[in-house]
Amino acid sequence: GAGVSQSPSNKVTEKGKDVELRCDPISGHTALYWYRQSLGQGLEFLIYFQGNSAPDKSGLPSDRFSAERTGGSVSTLTIQRTQQEDSAVYLCASSLGHEREQYFGPGTRLTVT
Amino acid sequence: GQQVMQIPQYQHVQEGEDFTTYCNSSTTLSNIQWYKQRPGGHPVFLIQLVKSGEVKKQKRLTFQFGEAKKNSSLHITATQTTDVGTYFCAGRLGNEKLTFGTGTRLTIIP
Repeated sequence: GAGVSQSPSNKVTEKGKDVELRCDPISGHTALYWYRQSLGQGLEFLIYFQGNSAPDKSGLPSDRFSAERTGGSVSTLTIQRTQQEDSAVYLCASSLGHEREQYFGPGTRLTVT
Repeated sequence: GQQVMQIPQYQHVQEGEDFTTYCNSSTTLSNIQWYKQRPGGHPVFLIQLVKSGEVKKQKRLTFQFGEAKKNSSLHITATQTTDVGTYFCAGRLGNEKLTFGTGTRLTIIP
């Protein structure tokens, strides 16, 4: 079946603009995660959804970052007033349950100029 | 909070040599997962270990979970160029979120 998809694959934006990143998880996966990965670095946890609720938002770097999930499916990560340090690959993952293995999407490469 | 460290950060090996990466947690884990990320790609799940002292094998890959459930290792026998990538461990404490390790980047010298 289809894997996790993310859009756009690449996004170049000017500093100060808002961006929205989209994640379509695998159908039936109740858990959804957002991570950030800077070049050559590890995975930085941002937020986790179980269904439409977010039990853990502890990784969001600032109040410029927000995320929502609707219908227990699609999720959007919004970054307001982007800064150059927001440049990174944003990865989304989904899983059948919180304790199960995670399936990652291809990521969105965000470049803030 | 929970921390998961991996060593080494980088490893360069001659093709055919063995490779091992080690994962250490500051707290006892309920389970540990391993992922592989190819250059330019996204992390792909390899395996999950749950039991103390558990050993699992996938072809040339051997995964171990320590007796105290605080450490784990991944050993690759006779590396091939297809093994290139970054290997991440990820540990879970109870019902908390998965915490990814810092990763070990493996490069192969042909």
